[in-house]
Amino acid sequence: EAQVTQNPRYLITVTGKKLTVTCSQNMNHEYMSWYRQDPGLGLRQIYYSMNVEVTDKGDVPEGYKVSRKEKRNFPLILESPSPNQTSLYFCASSLYRRGLEETQYFGPGTRLLVL
Amino acid sequence: QKEVEQNSGPLSVPEGAIASLNCTYSDRGSQSFFWYRQYSGKSPELIMSIYSNGDKEDGRFTAQLNKASQYVSLLIRDSQPSDSATYLCAVNVEQFYFGTGTSLTVIP
Repeated sequence: EAQVTQNPRYLITVTGKKLTVTCSQNMNHEYMSWYRQDPGLGLRQIYYSMNVEVTDKGDVPEGYKVSRKEKRNFPLILESPSPNQTSLYFCASSLYRRGLEETQYFGPGTRLLVL
Repeated sequence: QKEVEQNSGPLSVPEGAIASLNCTYSDRGSQSFFWYRQYSGKSPELIMSIYSNGDKEDGRFTAQLNKASQYVSLLIRDSQPSDSATYLCAVNVEQFYFGTGTSLTVIP
């Protein structure tokens, strides 16, 4: 089954404790991205990657890191989480960034609470 | 300035009616437009994509694009209670920009 998976689905942590949210897709997609969704603010892009070893900042990259060492995986790293990073996070992938087949497919989401 | 604007709603329509959702965007270079549906607590799922001016129909859904007016809309015919969700408009301009979504409730 073609899908984007994220782990964990729910996470409660404390300020300053490093965490990683994993994202994996099995569709051989080149383009992957991370979003956060907050009430009243909609989906905002954190980082995106057009291919292995290529990453770029989105609208709200502060406090986040990503890496793309393999095509299928795109982990999101919070080195020192803060309460303002409490949010619902989505990973998404698509075959290409522009042009045909750019439709994004979303993972199930990770709900993060930083105390 | 927001890239994509939508009325947040809520929009309520009776079952069987036509629901009309609207979206405007600011970047004239936008080439690709998408409508996603999102149920509460779930991930967005694609309903329609549209790239050219005019209408595109898929079952009960019709997307309309007017690039001159920088306007994209989604019509849902014969609305069903299962259509009750938040509808997100998205535009791809170098990166993807999403609107804040319009909440739709279909009343049985």
